[in-house]
Amino acid sequence: EVQLVESGGGLVQPGGSLRLSCAASGFTFSDHYMDWVRLAPGKGLEWVGRTRNKANGYTTEYAASVKGRFAVSRDDSKNLVYMQMNSLKTEDTAVYYCARVLGTSWDSHALDIWGQGTMVTVSS
Amino acid sequence: DIQLTQSPSFLSASVGDRVTITCRASQGISSYLAWYQQKPGKAPKLLIYAASTLQSGVPSRFSGSGSGTEFTLTINSLQPEDFATYYCQQLNSYPLTFGPGTKVDIK
Repeated sequence: EVQLVESGGGLVQPGGSLRLSCAASGFTFSDHYMDWVRLAPGKGLEWVGRTRNKANGYTTEYAASVKGRFAVSRDDSKNLVYMQMNSLKTEDTAVYYCARVLGTSWDSHALDIWGQGTMVTVSS
Repeated sequence: DIQLTQSPSFLSASVGDRVTITCRASQGISSYLAWYQQKPGKAPKLLIYAASTLQSGVPSRFSGSGSGTEFTLTINSLQPEDFATYYCQQLNSYPLTFGPGTKVDIK
């Protein structure tokens, strides 16, 4: 079964750090780009960041709201994708989803497999 | 950054109705647009990508059209399980962005 399972969420104080993990199974993880998307309470979906695959240099992209604070990485040997979140703000409070990118061509960059999400609460 | 707007933001409909949601981009994005469905407490589900390609396993009552700056998602014969929030996402350039969502509720 194709599956993504996030972990690492929790309560953190403003200015603190947290690392989210996403475990992939049931597909050739190393072939795919991987994204993080969040859903803040009462808000809509927000794309957060992306890691490309090895063939594309493991390069990353970020939303302006998290650039310089969040870092997406991956370990293809363990089928894991990570998001290191530093200098957290109250507005980072959200459910964080990891998602698989369907393909590497621009017309297939949609997110076809999603995890169940992990809640991050930034509060003092 | 490319901004997406969706209309309407809220829609009340009955089972069996035909529903159309529009997504407009602030600049041309060719056909690099996807549509997702999200229910409360659940992860989003991909419905349509490349503006009009139906994702595997998605019922054929869902269809997408458009290119450039204007796109539509149509649901023919709305079913009880279709009451949800629908989002468009542009995949043309970074940062990728989502529309604000359209909530489809039961009339």
